[in-house]
Amino acid sequence: RKEVEQDPGPFNVPEGATVAFNCTYSNSASQSFFWYRQDCRKEPKLLMSVYSSGNEDGRFTAQLNRASQYISLLIRDSKLSDSATYLCVVNEDTSGTYKYIFGTGTRLKVLA
Amino acid sequence: ETGVTQSPTHLIKTRGQQVTLRCSSQSGHNTVSWYQQALGQGPQFIFQYYREEENGRGNFPPRFSGLQFPNYSSELNVNALELDDSALYLCASSRDGGAGELFFGEGSRLTVL
Repeated sequence: RKEVEQDPGPFNVPEGATVAFNCTYSNSASQSFFWYRQDCRKEPKLLMSVYSSGNEDGRFTAQLNRASQYISLLIRDSKLSDSATYLCVVNEDTSGTYKYIFGTGTRLKVLA
Repeated sequence: ETGVTQSPTHLIKTRGQQVTLRCSSQSGHNTVSWYQQALGQGPQFIFQYYREEENGRGNFPPRFSGLQFPNYSSELNVNALELDDSALYLCASSRDGGAGELFFGEGSRLTVL
């Protein structure tokens, strides 16, 4: 089983739609969680951190469910500029050594 | 702009050759990690350097090695290149041993023929 699993998509949605991505992780000792966005042939950039209480940043909402070991990202009112690959990232802490584990990414295409 | 710079941006090598990739970390960051990203895949963790010492390694063979310098810049060396080593190599800098946000460079795209 992969350490971090995501549906690779692609998700093709019309402008204005709401879309949700899920991600599961295998290591129950994982410490922190993130969503990164990666545009085609570019480097990943932090979209948002994911907290146990859930957090929202404008049209983006992230949730963490530690009991079920999954993370979600909800995008409301999709824009053309949201088209990108969304990477689920888990930071494992092993005796003070941190290691970031990336999922394969979920591709989103927002259509006009 | 993240302040993380990588060089070279593109390079072509042949099987069996050796390659060195370089990364300058963002000011104030003492941790550098390296990732390999094959086409259509997420970045795979190679290793991490914190204060000039390797302090974490992914599932990569010993022919992948690295260094971190006193100014926290870093090198990734790959010996005996194989065709499957063709990928985008990403460097990321962060603070405090990798506990915080990663700031990525634009990557070095390696093609092995």
